[in-house]
Amino acid sequence: GAGVSQSPRYKVAKRGQDVALRCDPISGHVSLFWYQQALGQGPEFLTYFQNEAQLDKSGLPSDRFFAERPEGSVSTLKIQRTQQEDSAVYLCASSLELALGNFGPGTRLTVL
Amino acid sequence: AQTVTQSQPEMSVQEAETVTLSCTYDTSESDYYLFWYKQPPSRQMILVIRQEAYKQQNATENRFSVNFQKAAKSFSLKISDSQLGDAAMYFCAYSGMNSGYSTLTFGKGTMLLVSP
Repeated sequence: GAGVSQSPRYKVAKRGQDVALRCDPISGHVSLFWYQQALGQGPEFLTYFQNEAQLDKSGLPSDRFFAERPEGSVSTLKIQRTQQEDSAVYLCASSLELALGNFGPGTRLTVL
Repeated sequence: AQTVTQSQPEMSVQEAETVTLSCTYDTSESDYYLFWYKQPPSRQMILVIRQEAYKQQNATENRFSVNFQKAAKSFSLKISDSQLGDAAMYFCAYSGMNSGYSTLTFGKGTMLLVSP
């Protein structure tokens, strides 16, 4: 079956713009995770959903970052008033079992 | 807080040879999982192998095996009979009971180069 998909794959934004990144998890996967991967670094946890409930958002770096999963399937990560330090690859993962994620290909965000 | 350390930024191996990637971690939790993920240049992270802390037996998946030393908090990955397709960034990761096993803490990664 299809894996986790993310769109867009690449996004260039001017500083101050808002962006929305989409994640389509594997069908039936209850858990969904967002990670941020800066260049040359390992991914860092942002937030976690179980179905539509956001159970952990401790990794979101500021209140400019917002994630939702209103129907317990597709998730959107929104970044308001983007800054240069937001430039990174944003990875989404879904899972039937906690922490055992099937990762998507990521969205590379570049903020100019 | 839990930390994961990969002290080798880059490793090289020739095809058909064996290579070991190192990982150490720090935790006060009694139960946790450890993982090795592979990230090829296309960026899609792939799970290579998983180890449950309460299991003494080292996990093995085909050419991939781990050496889990719980007391030393060490979790190395051995790749046998290396292939060109093994070239990638390898990340060691940890997930613990305090987070409900819901989050992964990653190391900085080791770039594995494979030469013919």
